Amino acid sequence: DAKTTQPPSMDCAEGRAANLPCNHSTISGNEYVYWYRQIHSQGPQYIIHGLKNNETNEMASLIITEDRKSSTLILPHATLRDTAVYYCIAYSGGSNYKLTFGKGTLLTVNP
Amino acid sequence: GAGVSQSPSNKVTEKGKDVELRCDPISGHTALYWYRQSLGQGLEFLIYFQGNSAPDKSGLPSDRFSAERTGGSVSTLTIQRTQQEDSAVYLCASSLILGRRVNEQFFGPGTRLTVL
Repeated sequence: DAKTTQPPSMDCAEGRAANLPCNHSTISGNEYVYWYRQIHSQGPQYIIHGLKNNETNEMASLIITEDRKSSTLILPHATLRDTAVYYCIAYSGGSNYKLTFGKGTLLTVNP
Repeated sequence: GAGVSQSPSNKVTEKGKDVELRCDPISGHTALYWYRQSLGQGLEFLIYFQGNSAPDKSGLPSDRFSAERTGGSVSTLTIQRTQQEDSAVYLCASSLILGRRVNEQFFGPGTRLTVL
């Protein structure tokens, strides 16, 4: 699976949109972009995934560039409970189902 | 319904002792994964089970680590002759559908292992 690069940390004001970038310049055509987050002392939680098209669910939106070399996770109205480490993962599935987590981005939402 | 559960939540042991960590996946989930997370690090894959197939053990760090999954449900991760570097949070996850690209893994709360 392709390597992903994320900034180590970001800050966001409560109520504002949080935009978390991820670079995956070597992503292949059959790899999806997955986002998970891990709130302190909890297991990771699935957020969203996408292949080519932008995606939205009740938690977040995922914007993938046309060349698929980068993406942005958007939390439209960040709350204090969104403070967590966010992981961007390029994942192809197939016979290899393990997720390879990097160090992610620590998002701190400030009051 | 119930999520993935793990026990114990915390385990303190002495170097050289054996430990067993338990994972109860979500009912009906065919795939089960073990990961570990050392302090300040990302998750490290250890092993995965899928149905009755042979497990993928490619992530196990040494032969002191083993895991089994009985009846396609509960799994136990065993660490023999524990070392201080084994101290970490051990996370279990399960997922429902294989053979498709979508693989949403549901994680348990983890077991924090401390080897003194």
